[in-house]
Amino acid sequence: KAGVTQTPRYLIKTRGQQVTLSCSPISGHRSVSWYQQTPGQGLQFLFEYFSETQRNKGNFPGRFSGRQFSNSRSEMNVSTLELGDSALYLCASSWTSENEQFFGPGTRLTVL
Amino acid sequence: AQSVAQPEDQVNVAEGNPLTVKCTYSVSGNPYLFWYVQYPNRGLQFLLKYITGDNLVKGSYGFEAEFNKSQTSFHLKKPSALVSDSALYFCAVRSYSGYALNFGKGTSLLVTP
Repeated sequence: KAGVTQTPRYLIKTRGQQVTLSCSPISGHRSVSWYQQTPGQGLQFLFEYFSETQRNKGNFPGRFSGRQFSNSRSEMNVSTLELGDSALYLCASSWTSENEQFFGPGTRLTVL
Repeated sequence: AQSVAQPEDQVNVAEGNPLTVKCTYSVSGNPYLFWYVQYPNRGLQFLLKYITGDNLVKGSYGFEAEFNKSQTSFHLKKPSALVSDSALYFCAVRSYSGYALNFGKGTSLLVTP
């Protein structure tokens, strides 16, 4: 069974631009979560989707948004990029929110 | 609010010796507890979880963890460390009623030959 895939793996943007990251969960998984990982703040929860509904959102500004499609694939969008948005963005999927999450390899975003 | 503390930034252990990576948590109600490992430039890999039941949980690669409700701890252990165990280890907690995982800052484990 294929794991969680994330595209692209690496991305370089400049301040003010916007970016869309994509995540394909493990087949059958309906819960998709997004996390931001930085050296200073560690792993921080962004949001969680289940059956196309956002059920929980972390403490991030409105520039960070996401959505989930009917096939459980998910995208996150960051608008008006700032230097501090440079991070590894990880997507994770699970059968339900009670089960362990399986993580993708991440998208490394660099904002110049 | 829920949170996790990993008090050690780094743990050093010699190959063949037992290892312990510490984790304490704070959550309303009963917790779901998890350990993940991250190798350089990789995503997180699931090691083990505690939901309910036996306090000693066995997971992947010979790791185990002991849930202690009175001390609100969930320490990761392995009887005999391998050099290949060197990585970044994360403890995470989620409440029964929540959907988000809260991660600790991570503990870097270095196993020397």
